[in-house]
Amino acid sequence: GQNIDQPTEMTATEGAIVQINCTYQTSGFNGLFWYQQHAGEAPTFLSYNVLDGLEEKGRFSSFLSRSKGYSYLLLKELQMKDSASYLCALLGSNYQLIWGAGTKLIIKP
Amino acid sequence: IAGITQAPTSQILAAGRRMTLRCTQDMRHNAMYWYRQDLGLGLRLIHYSNTAGTTGKGEVPDGYSVSRANTDDFPLTLASAVPSQTSVYFCASSVLAGGTDTQYFGPGTRLTVL
Repeated sequence: GQNIDQPTEMTATEGAIVQINCTYQTSGFNGLFWYQQHAGEAPTFLSYNVLDGLEEKGRFSSFLSRSKGYSYLLLKELQMKDSASYLCALLGSNYQLIWGAGTKLIIKP
Repeated sequence: IAGITQAPTSQILAAGRRMTLRCTQDMRHNAMYWYRQDLGLGLRLIHYSNTAGTTGKGEVPDGYSVSRANTDDFPLTLASAVPSQTSVYFCASSVLAGGTDTQYFGPGTRLTVL
């Protein structure tokens, strides 16, 4: 089977750095996505990793280790607008996305 | 350019009623998807379409049907609504099918079945 796990909620301070982890189990791996979802809004794409390593996009970076079944999203220089849920999604053997429940990130001034 | 639109924005429905959620995209994307999102759970795929004229079942298809008569429209029908179908429904699309492409989401429909 396939499953995906991420923390329910995290709190961080404006200007700081936060790392949101995602662990998964799958029989066939075809990629891992991160999406951002503000409360009451639609998810929007952040990153896609299919190979091991770090992908950097401005203040956001995403890391993947396929051997460990592990990914993280790193957010630097946190801003209040980064308060949102961050969704990890696994593309498994059937090429359908399996979504984590999301990590709600609360930014405090 | 609107992207993806969904209608209605929200709806309260009596159990047993039939309901169609509408989804339209103007990006000429090949693939379209319907998800439901419930508190504490991840998005769950209901049905998908890789291209106009084809549809497939996702993780939770029971009680739902879809059609894809053309590239732009992908309506989701609840034949006889039940309270467990209370959820937020998101339609999404991607240029390519197969899951490796970025999915673009509509604003969602909040459905309450009483």
